[in-house]
Amino acid sequence: EIVLTQSPATLSLSPGERATLSCRASQSLNGFLAWYQQKPGQAPRLLIYDTSNRATDIPARFIGSGSWTDFTLTITSLEPEDFAIYYCQQRYSWPPTFGPGTTVDV
Amino acid sequence: EQLLESGGGLVQPGGSLRLSCEASGFSESNFAMAWVRQGPGKGLEWVSSISSSGANTYYADSVKGRFTVSGDYAGRSIYLQMNNLRTEDTAVYFCAKGLYTRGHFDSWGQGILVTVSS
Repeated sequence: EIVLTQSPATLSLSPGERATLSCRASQSLNGFLAWYQQKPGQAPRLLIYDTSNRATDIPARFIGSGSWTDFTLTITSLEPEDFAIYYCQQRYSWPPTFGPGTTVDV
Repeated sequence: EQLLESGGGLVQPGGSLRLSCEASGFSESNFAMAWVRQGPGKGLEWVSSISSSGANTYYADSVKGRFTVSGDYAGRSIYLQMNNLRTEDTAVYFCAKGLYTRGHFDSWGQGILVTVSS
């Protein structure tokens, strides 16, 4: 199974700052990587799919990039509602796997 | 657009439980669905997927042989029959949908708690 590693585990930032989250895969994903945001007590929400495509109604400040095994989620200017846990997920091969998450906190 | 789970609760180790998920309001006529769980204070773990036709099903190794996913596409519902439950199955179970069987998940239910404890 493909293992996803996310870094850093925690990112402490302030509103207005730029957040850069990393996801590294144990093998090439052919671009089939998604990002989700989860807030306490809520279901995950799809942000980005297939490396760089924003899901419906996702603001332009969320940018996905990367290739092969290394992927990045950038939040260009943090809004108060962006403080949450972010997970990456690969759909390149079975089973679909998630990374352990990065917490973005104040 | 909504996915609504039901059927969770407290069950003893070795027991069984059946989860249901009803999809409503989606414009797509065909979509795959899946179950993803999250243990207390833990990350997300994919459990099972079912294709849009219901003909193909997939399972995580951790549940294979104990869990069975099925679909009732007339009513746009899926089910997860969970047998021989273990304490490590304790989690919030989310129903999710996607365009592809092996895909990302573009909509999620609110989740339902399954607690396996004596």
